[in-house]
Order: sequence, then C-alpha cells, then structure tokens
Amino acid sequence: EVQLVESGGGLVQPGGSLRLSCAASGFTFSNRWMSWVRQAPGKGLEWVAIIKQDEGEKYYLDSVKGRFTISRDNAKDSLYLQMNGLRAEDTAVYYCARGSGRDGCDYWGQGTLVTVSS
Amino acid sequence: EVVITQSPLSLPVTLGQPASISCRSSQSLVYSDGNTFLNWFQQRPGQSPRRLIYKVSNRDSGVPDRFSGSGSGTDFTLKISRVEAEDVGVYYCVQGTHWPWSFGQGTKVEIK
Repeated sequence: EVQLVESGGGLVQPGGSLRLSCAASGFTFSNRWMSWVRQAPGKGLEWVAIIKQDEGEKYYLDSVKGRFTISRDNAKDSLYLQMNGLRAEDTAVYYCARGSGRDGCDYWGQGTLVTVSS
Repeated sequence: EVVITQSPLSLPVTLGQPASISCRSSQSLVYSDGNTFLNWFQQRPGQSPRRLIYKVSNRDSGVPDRFSGSGSGTDFTLKISRVEAEDVGVYYCVQGTHWPWSFGQGTKVEIK
C-alpha cells in the first residue's frame, strides 16, 4: 500500500525557517518524480515544487523560488522541503504527492500545517 | 502563467440528478507530445485531494463510473451522471502542461 506521511510543520515567525519531510513507502521511491503542493486555510491548491528521480531537475513556483528548496534522499525513501524566509502568505497545509504532477499525482499524503505568524 | 477558470464555483444538486463543472484554460493544454494534461480532483471536507480523472478522460482506479471527463484544447468538463451524498466536496481541475501547474478556483458541490 502506497503511503506518504508528512511531518515537520508548526508555528514559525516571519523570516524563520522550517524543514518539511515526507516519508514514502509501498512503492519504489527512487523511480518517481515527487511534488509538494500547498493549500492555504480555506483556500485553493497551489503547486509549490517538483523534483526528478535523481534530483537532476527541480521546478519551483515563482513566489517560493530562492526561498524554498526541494530535495530527496532515495536511500531513505524521503522527500524534503526546506523553507527559508517564511512569510505570512506561506501559511498553508503542505502536501507531499507522488509524481511530477503532469497527470495530477495519484497519491497524496495527509498534509502538515505550516503557520507563519508573530 | 496559465490561468484556469472553473464554473460554477458553487453547485447545489439534488440527489440522483446530474452535475457538470466547466474548466477553461487561458492557453491550449495540448503538450508537445500530443497529450493533454488536464486532471480533476475531489476534496471531501477534512481530507486530502483525491485524483478522479487524469489526462482529460482517464478515470482512476476505484472512481465510480458516474464520473466522466471530456474536452479538448482549452475547454474541459467534469460530469457526474447521478450525484450521491458521498460526492459532496470541492472539485478542482488542474493543468500539467505548462509549469507552474495551475488549479482552478474549485467548485463546491453540495446537496440541495
């Protein structure tokens, strides 16, 4: 059974940093693109970043470029999102999803909430 | 950036009746390989998004056949042939042809 479990969310002050993790199981993680998608409270969905199997390609939403870094550790079946320079508008539930997102991603985690507030 | 416009944003439906959601793109979603990457998600209250349809009309495993997707180019539609109580939630279309992938605003389906 495919499982994606996010962790690392929490309350952080504006300008602060946070590292999200996503533990994958039930499939060959190293064979798949992976994605981070976020949803502000009560709002719609926004695709944040995607990463190729070998980290050779990474793409970011313009509003997070230069502040967020997506990475992965195939030996640990884990996906990460390092978030620096956090802003109030980054407050959201962050979902880890399997795939590049071209076809929408077939499996999603339960999400982890990031709140940026003083 | 591709703008995706969904309509309606709110859709009250009587149980057993059909429902239809429109999704329009500001650019053609036909990719260079000939595929059209327009996908549909359902998000039930308090849950993660669930993919229903990928590449316009391909239904995911376990998705009831009352859900169907159609369209081409810039105009797409999700249809529910007979709405059931479990279909309540917000439906999103998302394009995966032009980065950044972009979602529609969402259509809230509720029972009248």
